[in-house]
Amino acid sequence: NAGVTQTPKFRVLKTGQSMTLLCAQDMNHEYMYWYRQDPGMGLRLIHYSVGEGTTAKGEVPDGYNVSRLKKQNFLLGLESAAPSQTSVYFCASRQGQGAEQYFGPGTRLTVT
Amino acid sequence: AQSVSQHNHHVILSEAASLELGCNYSYGGTVNLFWYVQYPGQHLQLLLKYFSGDPLVKGIKGFEAEFIKSKFSFNLRKPSVQWSDTAEYFCVTVSGGYQKVTFGTGTKLQVIP
Repeated sequence: NAGVTQTPKFRVLKTGQSMTLLCAQDMNHEYMYWYRQDPGMGLRLIHYSVGEGTTAKGEVPDGYNVSRLKKQNFLLGLESAAPSQTSVYFCASRQGQGAEQYFGPGTRLTVT
Repeated sequence: AQSVSQHNHHVILSEAASLELGCNYSYGGTVNLFWYVQYPGQHLQLLLKYFSGDPLVKGIKGFEAEFIKSKFSFNLRKPSVQWSDTAEYFCVTVSGGYQKVTFGTGTKLQVIP
């Protein structure tokens, strides 16, 4: 099992550019999450999904969109990147109620 | 709204010192509690978790945590820290029908040899 993988690992964007971050899990988990991690702020939930074809807003959803067309993949999109979106992005998945989350290795995004 | 407070943002200890990191949460209903650790340059890993039963939970690497319902607390402890415990520690709750996940802001632990 590869667990949770994220691509790319690093990316530099110019303001206004768009990009998609891919999260993939091979554990057949129902729930998937996208977080951003910023110094002194812990992890903040952007969007999450409770199953294939479903998405929901988290704590800081503005400027991001997500899709869960396949159970194993959860995509995070930035339509028009802004410097405030410079962060480390983590994807996580878990099986169900009460289960622990498994985290991906992160994507470091810089927007100039 | 659900919130998780970690009052210690940065803790510096010498090796062999005892550790206690505070975590308080605000949700009054049923809640699942977790502690995750993030070593420098790595992703988050589970240290321990509490769902129900014995309020004293033992995790990996000698860590333990105690759930005190009346205080809405889930403090993390280790009797004797090592240099390799240098990391950032996050308290996490999962609660409600939609299984909302809430992270604390994290505590950076630095252990001095």
